[in-house]
Amino acid sequence: DAKTTQPPSMDCAEGRAANLPCNHSTISGNEYVYWYRQIHSQGPQYIIHGLKNNETNEMASLIITEDRKSSTLILPHATLRDTAVYYCIVREHTGNQFYFGTGTSLTVIP
Amino acid sequence: DTAVSQTPKYLVTQMGNDKSIKCEQNLGHDTMYWYKQDSKKFLKIMFSYNNKELIINETVPNRFSPKSPDKAHLNLHINSLELGDSAVYFCASSPFRTGANEKLFFGSGTQLSVL
Repeated sequence: DAKTTQPPSMDCAEGRAANLPCNHSTISGNEYVYWYRQIHSQGPQYIIHGLKNNETNEMASLIITEDRKSSTLILPHATLRDTAVYYCIVREHTGNQFYFGTGTSLTVIP
Repeated sequence: DTAVSQTPKYLVTQMGNDKSIKCEQNLGHDTMYWYKQDSKKFLKIMFSYNNKELIINETVPNRFSPKSPDKAHLNLHINSLELGDSAVYFCASSPFRTGANEKLFFGSGTQLSVL
């Protein structure tokens, strides 16, 4: 099942960077780190994923530590619409399952 | 057009009834899933189908029977509904069965309430 640990909740001021941590100390060499988010009453939405290099796209940046035991999702300029539950998932690239943990509930404050 | 659509959005029914939830994706994906999100918001995979073939069944009671008439559809039929079946059910699809770039695309969910 879920192999990640995330803080249950976080607050962030609007316009500031939101840094969401995730621990995955048992990650293996062929497992990727994925981030999804779920805005209230909607289905989860893909944000970003990576293996060992840092990744950036139009939504966020993903910073993975050198030992790959933890990562941080960065939303550079949080807006009120970023209020959601953020899920960190580790998954083998040949696996079929995405196991969601309990996630971090991020609240962006005006 | 909605990429992954599921109907109905809300379903209220009595214990013991049989109900179905439909899911369709127009993304041309090979793999489709059903997830259940309970009242504690824990999102748990139930089934996965690849090209109409069942590839994951996560110890779901056999009252739940997925049906995939073609790779664009994965319906969920539930027999003899119980109070504990009340939850939000999400359908999802992904473009590849395996692969590093596999991403899940979710529908908007069906809120099932069993009275």
